Amino acid sequence: AQTVTQSQPEMSVQEAETVTLSCTYDTSESDYYLFWYKQPPSRQMILVIRQEAYKQQNATENRFSVNFQKAAKSFSLKISDSQLGDAAMYFCASGGATNKLIFGTGTLLAVQP
Amino acid sequence: ETGVTQSPTHLIKTRGQQVTLRCSSQSGHNTVSWYQQALGQGPQFIFQYYREEENGRGNFPPRFSGLQFPNYSSELNVNALELDDSALYLCASSERTSPTQETQYFGPGTRLLVL
Repeated sequence: AQTVTQSQPEMSVQEAETVTLSCTYDTSESDYYLFWYKQPPSRQMILVIRQEAYKQQNATENRFSVNFQKAAKSFSLKISDSQLGDAAMYFCASGGATNKLIFGTGTLLAVQP
Repeated sequence: ETGVTQSPTHLIKTRGQQVTLRCSSQSGHNTVSWYQQALGQGPQFIFQYYREEENGRGNFPPRFSGLQFPNYSSELNVNALELDDSALYLCASSERTSPTQETQYFGPGTRLLVL
């Protein structure tokens, strides 16, 4: 069975600073992929970044980057130059051949001006 | 490009009633997945439809059922509503090229309250 664990229920960061959100996962699949989604108060789940497990290079998307440690089953999200609009609930998710996403419980990120 | 849309945005039902939620997939996408997100929790996978056939199901009872239409839009039906069915229901669409290449894009959700 796949599991995704986010151990930080809440995080806070000052505007323009950097913050890292943690995620660990467990999967029996040999070929899988990992995601970070952002869910603002508007409720819409927005894709932030995606990582294929077979790729050693960490994914980067503008101010967002991941630190993917396959052996440790760790997939953290780094947000650089934090902006007020980054405030949201962030969910880590894993997916594989079963085509369903398994989500963690989320980390609520507050950005202080 | 049109994103994923869902209707209605909010819905109030009473226990024992039936409800139908609707989802239009993003242009070019042939796969629709449904998730239930209880308050303060991460989304839980209900089921997925690919080319009008159910393609995987999560741990939900048979009173949760669905359909996918030839235009790839989808419905989620829930019979005999229970109080615990109160949640945000999310639809996500994706393009099936290969199982491990899918990225799911979500709609804004339908908030269901069961009284």
